Amino acid sequence: DGGITQSPKYLFRKEGQNVTLSCEQNLNHDAMYWYRQDPGQGLRLIYYSQIVNDFQKGDIAEGYSVSREKKESFPLTVTSAQKNPTAFYLCASSGRTGAYEQYFGPGTRLTVT
Amino acid sequence: AQKITQTQPGMFVQEKEAVTLDCTYDTSDPSYGLFWYKQPSSGEMIFLIYQGSYDQQNATEGRYSLNFQKARKSANLVISASQLGDSAMYFCAMRSPVNYGQNFVFGPGTRLSVLP
Repeated sequence: DGGITQSPKYLFRKEGQNVTLSCEQNLNHDAMYWYRQDPGQGLRLIYYSQIVNDFQKGDIAEGYSVSREKKESFPLTVTSAQKNPTAFYLCASSGRTGAYEQYFGPGTRLTVT
Repeated sequence: AQKITQTQPGMFVQEKEAVTLDCTYDTSDPSYGLFWYKQPSSGEMIFLIYQGSYDQQNATEGRYSLNFQKARKSANLVISASQLGDSAMYFCAMRSPVNYGQNFVFGPGTRLSVLP
């Protein structure tokens, strides 16, 4: 089945540790995105990538890093520089032309203590 | 700047009734797409319906329809015959050539509660 997978669903880390969230898609989409969602809030864009080996900062990129070495994969690293990393993280992908909708993964809920 | 406004933080509707969730948008581009997503308590974002700016007719998908009023820059979601499973957050979003290179623009969302 085509879709986006994110793992793990729940992630717990100690403060000061870097953590990497995985995102894989088999939809053959060129564009991929990472969003952060805090409780009761909307989505805020962290990073996006339109093609392999290229990515751009979104609205809240500080304390995060990404890579796009393969079309199917867009991992997000939450670094120790992110001051408030506890949140729900959603990965999405979409086509690059037309008005294609974004397809979302199930999300990863990160808790840092 | 591209912007989506959803003025209803929360809405209640009786089961089997219809409900309208408001969405207004701001863009200077003549070509754009409008989307509605549902987010149940599980967290996953579910695509519901799409309306293109040049579409002559309002989009419909099953119990969902989009009341598109271009001159008013309004793209309200209408859910007919509400079901308990419709209780969720609903987000309006826009994509246009100007912001394509960056992202979709999402509204703050409306929490819909369906009452039995």
